[in-house]
Amino acid sequence: DTGVSQNPRHKITKRGQNVTFRCDPISEHNRLYWYRQTLGQGPEFLTYFQNEAQLEKSRLLSDRFSAERPKGSFSTLEIQRTEQGDSAMYLCASSRPGRGHTGELFFGEGSRLTVL
Amino acid sequence: DAKTTQPNSMESNEEEPVHLPCNHSTISGTDYIHWYRQLPSQGPEYVIHGLTSNVNNRMASLAIAEDRKSSTLILHRATLRDAAVYYCILRDLNSGGGADGLTFGKGTHLIIQP
Repeated sequence: DTGVSQNPRHKITKRGQNVTFRCDPISEHNRLYWYRQTLGQGPEFLTYFQNEAQLEKSRLLSDRFSAERPKGSFSTLEIQRTEQGDSAMYLCASSRPGRGHTGELFFGEGSRLTVL
Repeated sequence: DAKTTQPNSMESNEEEPVHLPCNHSTISGTDYIHWYRQLPSQGPEYVIHGLTSNVNNRMASLAIAEDRKSSTLILHRATLRDAAVYYCILRDLNSGGGADGLTFGKGTHLIIQP
């Protein structure tokens, strides 16, 4: 069990640039979640995939944000035309499906974005 | 998701038990009570969950009130490594749709004194 892997761990960019984060979930997990966390706050849900299908998006996910999971394995989160308010930790989590499981979410260590 | 209320912070001494409270007066019959914790500079990690009965695992115990309107996470012997933010979350695993994910509040910042 290699856990959920996120890359890069840290990203510093200038306002207006595009950034992309990658998440590799635990291999047998078909559900994948993206969260955003700002300082002093709990993580906020952004979007969710079941296999390759993006099933839900939060209102926090503006048009500048796009997430994909093309083959139902790894996922990418792209932020276009970054703004200083996008500075946050972006967390990815994965889980197994269905009842009978704990429904436990396994989180990666996050990708910290700083927009200058 | 139903809301939970937790103290902003708590302090305890190393090697003593810690009782972290959570109020969830609007809990529904199909809401499970989940606890996660987040150590500094890490993503959240699952601690324990329960529905009605008290639960124990290697990390902690979960005591659930008879009316389910409150619960307490118990760390039996806190260590410095238990210093983290602890989140109490209600999760309806029978929602049948949507993200079936977690809605985090601000949690309780647990400080452990050596």
